[in-house]
Amino acid sequence: DQQVKQNSPSLSVQEGRISILNCDYTNSMFDYFLWYKKYPAEGPTFLISISSIKDKNEDGRFTVFLNKSAKHLSLHIVPSQPGDSAVYFCAASYAGGTSYGKLTFGQGTILTVHP
Amino acid sequence: EPEVTQTPSHQVTQMGQEVILRCVPISNHLYFYWYRQILGQKVEFLVSFYNNEISEKSEIFDDQFSVERPDGSNFTLKIRSTKLEDSAMYFCASSELGEKLFFGSGTQLSVL
Repeated sequence: DQQVKQNSPSLSVQEGRISILNCDYTNSMFDYFLWYKKYPAEGPTFLISISSIKDKNEDGRFTVFLNKSAKHLSLHIVPSQPGDSAVYFCAASYAGGTSYGKLTFGQGTILTVHP
Repeated sequence: EPEVTQTPSHQVTQMGQEVILRCVPISNHLYFYWYRQILGQKVEFLVSFYNNEISEKSEIFDDQFSVERPDGSNFTLKIRSTKLEDSAMYFCASSELGEKLFFGSGTQLSVL
């Protein structure tokens, strides 16, 4: 199942700089996109989401951009902090019928922020 | 902050045995889910549950699996006869309106 892809397995960034995590999707039915962060031995923690009617959503240091024509979204973290080091998952869903909350996840990108 | 609670954190079982994984969703949430992540693979959807019935289930969720909300607080996943390939981290999640899901810390199931 390759409907949601995160092509970069890992990303290394210096503290204070911008982290950009990318995600591509193939299913044009997806209309809601989420980013989750996961630390070892914990469950995914919700970070930020965006509906397909928007192209940008911002929450503090986190901004998600959606390019529907390219079926691409990205998560920007500015400024990056060492505590941001974790696995970041992109997920997508569509609100049709009973599928609400049925998330399709990407493989994850390991972000390491160096002090 | 309210959170989804899962027990146990680790479960070891013999192949063919029944296991029950337990979850306490966030109290005002209406939608409940089970996901799993096999080591090295993606997090994958198993089942969604709303209004005391299954809303949707994946191909993985065959007759060996069942879910139940036995009372107003617990949500359980039962695997009737475990197989080696059921070994995975199982995540429970809940949602108020069906969009933003909150996940528990998971139960690591090891089938020997």
